[in-house]
Amino acid sequence: NAGVMQNPRHLVRRRGQEARLRCSPMKGHSHVYWYRQLPEEGLKFMVYLQKENIIDESGMPKERFSAEFPKEGPSILRIQQVVRGDSAAYFCASSPRRDTNYGYTFGSGTRLTVV
Amino acid sequence: KQEVTQIPAALSVPEGENLVLNCSFTDSAIYNLQWFRQDPGKGLTSLLLIQSSQREQTSGRLNASLDKSSGRSTLYIAASQPGDSATYLCAASPNSGYALNFGKGTSLLVTP
Repeated sequence: NAGVMQNPRHLVRRRGQEARLRCSPMKGHSHVYWYRQLPEEGLKFMVYLQKENIIDESGMPKERFSAEFPKEGPSILRIQQVVRGDSAAYFCASSPRRDTNYGYTFGSGTRLTVV
Repeated sequence: KQEVTQIPAALSVPEGENLVLNCSFTDSAIYNLQWFRQDPGKGLTSLLLIQSSQREQTSGRLNASLDKSSGRSTLYIAASQPGDSATYLCAASPNSGYALNFGKGTSLLVTP
């Protein structure tokens, strides 16, 4: 049973380009969460999705960022027109239920560098 | 807004020592408190989860305690080993039950 798979592991984008980060949850997990870890900062919650639904996007920047979790395929975090301040590690986690008492499983992250 | 603080930010100990990592949180209305381990360039590994009704959890050489009234949790590592070197993160889950508020972590180095 593979864990949470994130790709790519490393992504380099020039300012103004688009970044697409992918996350495949664990088998049997239908709840996906995205977190961002800025340099020297703790992980910050961005968005919580279930299949085809955004449940809570209160941690997402209002502009340029979007997330989806389609019926088929991985969850995608999309950052348009990237800026240097978007450079960070982006982690995805999945769970079997909407209840952290059932545990989160985190992926290894995507490290985005904007040059 | 929940604030989670971890002290110390970094710690270096010789192999074999017992050590305590501290985590404090400002809002005692938490659903659970979790401890994670993060290795450089890697993801997070869940170590221990303490539900709000519990006082402590143990796994091998690790023991985590929770005191909601004082807003504190500690992670005790017994007989430390070089393989324990990593960053340890604590995270408080609010009563909504799904988002985690993380501290910045304690970077632990265990020297042979």
